[in-house]
Amino acid sequence: KAGVTQTPRYLIKTRGQQVTLSCSPISGHRSVSWYQQTPGQGLQFLFEYFSETQRNKGNFPGRFSGRQFSNSRSEMNVSTLELGDSALYLCASLATGGMSGELFFGEGSRLTVL
Amino acid sequence: AQSVTQLDSQVPVFEEAPVELRCNYSSSVSVYLFWYVQYPNQGLQLLLKYLSGSTLVKGINGFEAEFNKSQTSFHLRKPSVHISDTAEYFCAVSESGGGNKLTFGTGTQLKVEL
Repeated sequence: KAGVTQTPRYLIKTRGQQVTLSCSPISGHRSVSWYQQTPGQGLQFLFEYFSETQRNKGNFPGRFSGRQFSNSRSEMNVSTLELGDSALYLCASLATGGMSGELFFGEGSRLTVL
Repeated sequence: AQSVTQLDSQVPVFEEAPVELRCNYSSSVSVYLFWYVQYPNQGLQLLLKYLSGSTLVKGINGFEAEFNKSQTSFHLRKPSVHISDTAEYFCAVSESGGGNKLTFGTGTQLKVEL
C-alpha cells in the first residue's frame, strides 16, 4: 500500500510569508504527527492529530498550527516565516492511537526561508 | 519530561566489522524505546522497538538492541556492517500511554568504509 505522502517536497519562501504543508497518511491510519528537523535542534515534535483532534503539542510558537481532515489528511501552517524556520518537516502516521504500533514517516517537505 | 542522549555524533567503522551505537535515556515514567534510520534525503524508517518483555530486541537489516533498565540504556548493535548501512541513526523514546509523541536523540552518523 502507498506510504505517507508529503507535498510539496521542496519549497522556498521569504521572511514574513506563510506556508502550508500537506500530509496524506497511509490508508486507514488515523493518527498524524509532525516533526521539524534542523541541523542545530535535531528532530523536534510539533503536534499530533488523531481523529481530527489535536492530542499533543510541542514547544513551538503559535505561528505553527495544524489541522486534520475527516479523511485523516493533515496540513500544517507556518505564518510570518523566519529564517530559523528553514528545516525538513516530517509527517508520520500511525494505525492505532498509541505508540505500540509503528510510526511511518514520509520523506518530508524541505522548507528554505530566505 | 523525557530526554535521549546519543553520545557519539559520528561512528566510522570498516565493512564487516561489528558496531555499537550508544543511547541513554532519562524518564520518570515507563517508556517505549525505538531506533530509526535515515538515509540521505529520505524520511525515517523504524529499525526496531522495545515495548515490553524480552530486553533483547531484534530488528530489520540484522540490527539488534538491548534494553537495560538499571543503566537506562538502549544500545544498538550489528555484528557485521555493510556499506549500505551508512546512514544516520536516531534513538527515540515515548512515554507508554503518552500518545503518539517521540523524543529523539541528536543522531549518530554511521559511516562504513571499505
